[in-house]
Amino acid sequence: NAGVTQTPKFQVLKTGQSMTLQCAQDMNHEYMSWYRQDPGMGLRLIHYSVGAGITDQGEVPNGYNVSRSTTEDFPLRLLSAAPSQTSVYFCASSYSTGDYGYTFGSGTRLTVV
Amino acid sequence: DAKTTQPNSMESNEEEPVHLPCNHSTISGTDYIHWYRQLPSQGPEYVIHGLTSNVNNRMASLAIAEDRKSSTLILHRATLRDAAVYYCILPHTGNQFYFGTGTSLTVIP
Repeated sequence: NAGVTQTPKFQVLKTGQSMTLQCAQDMNHEYMSWYRQDPGMGLRLIHYSVGAGITDQGEVPNGYNVSRSTTEDFPLRLLSAAPSQTSVYFCASSYSTGDYGYTFGSGTRLTVV
Repeated sequence: DAKTTQPNSMESNEEEPVHLPCNHSTISGTDYIHWYRQLPSQGPEYVIHGLTSNVNNRMASLAIAEDRKSSTLILHRATLRDAAVYYCILPHTGNQFYFGTGTSLTVIP
């Protein structure tokens, strides 16, 4: 049981490049979310999904796209990387009710130069 | 959606109990109260959650006020490994978790 797996762990991009951060979970969780955490700050919700085929925006969605074609996978796409997107990105998953919490991945540290 | 308020930082001596407060005066009757912590350079990890009654697990205890407008996370004997940022979270619509800035706990040897 791997939990929530994020790849890559580290990435350096040039401004304007695009890339996809991968997130996979093997717990059959309906809900999945992406967060970013800037230095010294709390986590901010980027996008989330409540099930395959359903996604919605969180607090800071601009510059990011998501899709959810399967229950297991929830990739985050950076369309045209900017230095302001330098951050640590966390993926998380949960069952659908308020009685369940989220399991987090170990994060992807992204630097945009 | 209900909001939470936590102190920015707290200190505790090692092996002493720690009480981390959280105010959530606009909580609704069906909102669960979740606590997570984030150790340095790691992702958040689940600590405890509850609805109305006090809850205990191997990591901590959660004391919920009778009116549910506040709660307290209790670490019974703080260790150096408990130094972390602790987040009190009330799920938003659709069980979405919005993190505030949390309480940064420093444990003094």
